[in-house]
Amino acid sequence: QKEVEQDPGPLSVPEGAIVSLNCTYSNSAFQYFMWYRQYSRKGPELLMYTYSSGNKEDGRFTAQVDKSSKYISLFIRDSQPSDSATYLCAISSAGGTSYGKLTFGQGTILTVHP
Amino acid sequence: DGGITQSPKYLFRKEGQNVTLSCEQNLNHDAMYWYRQDPGQGLRLIYYSQIVNDFQKGDIAEGYSVSREKKESFPLTVTSAQKNPTAFYLCASSIWRGRFYGYTFGSGTRLTVV
Repeated sequence: QKEVEQDPGPLSVPEGAIVSLNCTYSNSAFQYFMWYRQYSRKGPELLMYTYSSGNKEDGRFTAQVDKSSKYISLFIRDSQPSDSATYLCAISSAGGTSYGKLTFGQGTILTVHP
Repeated sequence: DGGITQSPKYLFRKEGQNVTLSCEQNLNHDAMYWYRQDPGQGLRLIYYSQIVNDFQKGDIAEGYSVSREKKESFPLTVTSAQKNPTAFYLCASSIWRGRFYGYTFGSGTRLTVV
């Protein structure tokens, strides 16, 4: 079993739709949860991070973590064509003096069509 | 502007040939990483380095080698021992942000075996 499993998609939605992207993880030692966005032929960029159960909002984006179920989600409201990208969840058990190894999900390709 | 520069953007390798991918950062980050990205598999860690003159194997180090002679530079050599090198290679660096390691990625090198 992989440490992090991400719904592979691909996902195709109309502009304005609410998008839900999901990952599950197996190691309860994971403490830090991140979402990266990657445009075609580019490196990933950090979109959101959280370290506790619950919701965190940033504009149209909401990151949700449920540690009891080992489940994380990213919601995109009022999706735009510019949101079309690959979304990667990334999880870390590191902090403090560790080097900060990230474990990535497989990525979900999202297309928002006008 | 600070960032990570990867070169070349596209690279073609003949069978049995070694090739070196360049990664340079001017962010003054201590830690640097090499990831490999294949469709449907997310990012897999090849090598990482926390300080100059020290590096560690990641999850898929076989057939690859690295060096870290300067803080700014972390080149990756794909050797002839790597049997399936065609992939998108991403270099990253990180810095501790108080609760998690913030990663910065380069724009990647796409390597193709011809």
